Formats: sequence, structure tokens, C-alpha cells
Amino acid sequence: AQSVSQHNHHVILSEAASLELGCNYSYGGTVNLFWYVQYPGQHLQLLLKYFSGDPLVKGIKGFEAEFIKSKFSFNLRKPSVQWSDTAEYFCAVKGGADGLTFGKGTHLIIQP
Amino acid sequence: DGGITQSPKYLFRKEGQNVTLSCEQNLNHDAMYWYRQDPGQGLRLIYYSQIVNDFQKGDIAEGYSVSREKKESFPLTVTSAQKNPTAFYLCASRGDNKNIQYFGAGTRLSVL
Repeated sequence: AQSVSQHNHHVILSEAASLELGCNYSYGGTVNLFWYVQYPGQHLQLLLKYFSGDPLVKGIKGFEAEFIKSKFSFNLRKPSVQWSDTAEYFCAVKGGADGLTFGKGTHLIIQP
Repeated sequence: DGGITQSPKYLFRKEGQNVTLSCEQNLNHDAMYWYRQDPGQGLRLIYYSQIVNDFQKGDIAEGYSVSREKKESFPLTVTSAQKNPTAFYLCASRGDNKNIQYFGAGTRLSVL
């Protein structure tokens, strides 16, 4: 069975700080990897995805993530965060079975 | 306006009562999913359906039931057998585009 581990449950940063949220997964086969974001009061929405090819993927709002196969990791990064990035962030994996397996989420608070 | 509509937004259940959460999509997607979100737990898969008149149990199907009589509709019933139903329920659908799931706004279920 696949699983996803997000290292930080709560992160507090100041505006303009750099962000890196850790995500590790366990699954021996080919995976599709996702980061979803849930802004306060809004739908869960896709931030970025990795299916194949270039392991550095870019998403919306200046986010990027790097797939490192040897480390089973898919960390999310942003060089300079804004107050509007305050949200909950979920890493998810699609392995052999249908449906996504999500991590427990990281609650990010950006202080102005 | 295309998308996934979940209703109601808030729902209250009495002890011993079955309640049904609605999920409708007009994206012409074949696959639909139900997830449960608890604080600090991320999203967990309850049931999914890849095609009309077929559905499969996810990781936490006990105490829930679904039907898929129409492509656009995938209602979830929370039965009296579900002893801890208080949670945020999210419906998602997926088209052919490489395992990307799109989410509704969710239904928050509470027990009276």
C-alpha cells in the first residue's frame, strides 16, 4: 500500500521568506505526484503535478516542486512567500490503485 | 458554470439516522470519488467509481454506502453504522487527463 508523509504540520513564516515543505512517499512502482492547496473557505485546488520527464515542475503562483526518485521525495518550494499563501497544503500520490493517497497536510501561516 | 457541486454545505445528523450527501458534476468525467477530511488527518478515500453502475471501496468504507446510477451523480450515504461521522466530506471527479482530480466545495457533517 502507498503512503505519504508530510514532515511539518504547522509552519509559520514572515512575508518574503523562502518556503520548503517536505513530502515523502512510499510506493515501489511508477507514481504520479501532486500538491494541492486549500485556501481558507475555498475548494481544494491543484497547485502542481508530476507525471514524468523533468523532475522539477512549476505550478501556479510561483510554486515549484522537485521529484527525487532516489529519496522518494517531492518537496514543495517557493522563493518568497506572500501573506496570500496562507493555506493548508497537501501532498498526494497516485500509485497502482485508483484514488489519491494524501499526506496529513501542512498548515502554513504567513505573517505580514 | 462547469464544476462539481456538493450539497448541502452543512448537515446535521441525529443518532441512528442515515443521511445522504449529494455530489453532481457537469464535467463529463467518468470517475468520481468521496474523501473524508479530519483535522490533522488529511484526506482519506471512502469510495470511488470509475464508471456508471460500478463502484469500489476505498480505505475507510465501513459505515458508508454509495450509488452511481448516472454519470453526473455520485451520492454518499452516511449510515447509522458510522460511529464517528463528524467530518468534512469532499467529492472529486477525474476525466481522462492523467489522474488529475477536481474537488467540490465540501459538506460539513455534524452529529446532534
